Amino acid sequence: KQEVTQIPAALSVPEGENLVLNCSFTDSAIYNLQWFRQDPGKGLTSLLLIQSSQREQTSGRLNASLDKSSGRSTLYIAASQPGDSATYLCAVPPNNNAGNMLTFGGGTRLMVKP
Amino acid sequence: EPEVTQTPSHQVTQMGQEVILRCVPISNHLYFYWYRQILGQKVEFLVSFYNNEISEKSEIFDDQFSVERPDGSNFTLKIRSTKLEDSAMYFCASAGQLYYEQYFGPGTRLTVT
Repeated sequence: KQEVTQIPAALSVPEGENLVLNCSFTDSAIYNLQWFRQDPGKGLTSLLLIQSSQREQTSGRLNASLDKSSGRSTLYIAASQPGDSATYLCAVPPNNNAGNMLTFGGGTRLMVKP
Repeated sequence: EPEVTQTPSHQVTQMGQEVILRCVPISNHLYFYWYRQILGQKVEFLVSFYNNEISEKSEIFDDQFSVERPDGSNFTLKIRSTKLEDSAMYFCASAGQLYYEQYFGPGTRLTVT
C-alpha cells in the first residue's frame, strides 16, 4: 500500500527566502506526481504535475523535481512571498492505472512572514 | 479557465439523514472522483468513476455511499444515513486524458450533528 510522507509538517520563513519542501513515497511504481496548494478551509489548487518519465517541472517561482527510484520529490519555491502562505500537498496515483486514486501526503504548512 | 464546482459549500444535517453532495466536473473530462478530508487529517480517496461506472473505491466507501452521474454534467455523492464521523470536507475532482491531472473543486463542508 502506497504511503506518502511530507517533511517538514510546518515551516515558517521570512519573506524572500528560497525554500524546499520534501515528499517521499514508498512505492516507486507511480504514473505521475502532483503538487497542490490548499488555503485554509478551501479546495486544492494543482500547482505542478511531473510525469514519471520527467525529472523536473517548472512554473514561475516553483520548481518540482522527481527521483522515482529513491521515492522522492521536492518542491522548490524561490523568493518566497507572504501570499505563498498555505499548505502544500503532494499526491501520487499508482502506475497500473493512471486514471485512478491519488494517495496524499499530510502536507507542509508554510508561513511566509513579511 | 474551466473549473470544478460543488454545491452546497456547507451542509449541516442530523445523524441518520440522507445527504446529496453535488459536483459539476470540467466539461470534457472523463474521470471523476470523490475525496474527503476530516479536519486536521490527510485527504482520503473515496471513489473514482469512469465510463458510467465505479472504477475503484476505498474501504471508506461502504454501502452507505453511492455515486451517480445523472446527466451529462452533474456528478453526485449520496450518503444514505449520515453518522457523526462523516463530518468532513468532501472534494470532487475530475481529470482528462492529458497526463490524467486531477482538478479539484472548492469542497462541501458536511457537518453531522
